Amino acid sequence: AQRVTQPEKLLSVFKGAPVELKCNYSYSGSPELFWYVQYSRQRLQLLLRHISRESIKGFTADLNKGETSFHLKKPFAQEEDSAMYYCALSPYTDKLIFGTGTRLQVFP
Amino acid sequence: DARVTQTPRHKVTEMGQEVTMRCQPILGHNTVFWYRQTMMQGLELLAYFRNRAPLDDSGMPKDRFSAEMPDATLATLKIQPSEPRDSAVYFCASGLKRPRTSGGARPYNEQFFGPGTRLTVL
Repeated sequence: AQRVTQPEKLLSVFKGAPVELKCNYSYSGSPELFWYVQYSRQRLQLLLRHISRESIKGFTADLNKGETSFHLKKPFAQEEDSAMYYCALSPYTDKLIFGTGTRLQVFP
Repeated sequence: DARVTQTPRHKVTEMGQEVTMRCQPILGHNTVFWYRQTMMQGLELLAYFRNRAPLDDSGMPKDRFSAEMPDATLATLKIQPSEPRDSAVYFCASGLKRPRTSGGARPYNEQFFGPGTRLTVL
């Protein structure tokens, strides 16, 4: 079965602390994985995708096929990072299977 | 700045009533997706269209939900009759499917999301 698991519904940290949002997936083929973010009162938008190997707003995510994980990390959290984060799997070119999301709260 | 638009933004209705949600995809996009967002389930894909033809509606309850694309600039999601358990935020997203490259690499077609319709069924 194709599934994305985000075990934490809420993650709270203080500004400047490291952040890791966990994502595990279940898929038998070669997955494409993404992180989407939804800031307060804004629409859902793409943050980054694993094939790009990019760092966006200080966030990085490495695909670990052995552990079937795609955790999102940032060494120093900022208050403006507070948002809802969704990990997503694309088994095909078109569909996205989302996890249930993790709300990140960064306190000053 | 091209964006996906959705109407209405908020809808409160009574159980049993028909609800129609509308989406205008970004001009030129050939793929439209409908998602439902709830606290418990997160984002679930209900259905999606390519060039106005339905490709997958397996996530949609068939007895009460229907999705159509009357033309390339409008997608609709209808619930009839509505039930309290349908209360959720419904998102539309659009994207442009691109062909594979000559090397066979699978392109990713980014999905652009609308602001959502918050539906409350009493």
